[in-house]
Amino acid sequence: SQQGEEDPQALSIQEGENATMNCSYKTSINNLQWYRQNSGRGLVHLILIRSNEREKHSGRLRVTLDTSKKSSSLLITASRAADTASYFCATDPADTGRRALTFGSGTRLQVQP
Amino acid sequence: GAGVSQSPRYKVAKRGQDVALRCDPISGHVSLFWYQQALGQGPEFLTYFQNEAQLDKSGLPSDRFFAERPEGSVSTLKIQRTQQEDSAVYLCASSLERSAIYADTQYFGPGTRLTVL
Repeated sequence: SQQGEEDPQALSIQEGENATMNCSYKTSINNLQWYRQNSGRGLVHLILIRSNEREKHSGRLRVTLDTSKKSSSLLITASRAADTASYFCATDPADTGRRALTFGSGTRLQVQP
Repeated sequence: GAGVSQSPRYKVAKRGQDVALRCDPISGHVSLFWYQQALGQGPEFLTYFQNEAQLDKSGLPSDRFFAERPEGSVSTLKIQRTQQEDSAVYLCASSLERSAIYADTQYFGPGTRLTVL
């Protein structure tokens, strides 16, 4: 079963616009990670935010985390056609002793040139 | 250095056949994970190794699935008597596991797309 749920499931925007994707999860976490997957390829790590952090930036990416609402958002600013991909949030559940990540179902982003 | 590699990239099997999927993790990475990804879905955890020890196999869907990492580097996921519902992309990931508490960044291979006819 998948813990995270991304919203929206699909998003289509024009090049230059910002894209916002949301992720909700169910249990307490150690950290939350965002990954990107191009069609037919493996996942690429984008950013990791710890449970005691509220916001993190990396280039054109901005991630927020609200542990009280069990939600996170990924903002991609000034989008490019090359940003077209599926984006997944993945949680590291706390107090389980597990190392495996629990992935959401993903947001499919289409950036029109 | 080289990333995570997987072979074969594509595998077509007839129902009932056995298949073996290989993963070469990043050199020096302690942890290795196998995930199964159905079309249009996120990856789902299958099993986890720390060096050669299989510490978690709770995600393996049936006893037809078996994974090993005998020398703590290369891993093989074996599926016996394949069924149509086994059709999916099988992803391997490795990580350094710098923390004893938190999950580290995972580096994924390109996956093996298994189609069972």
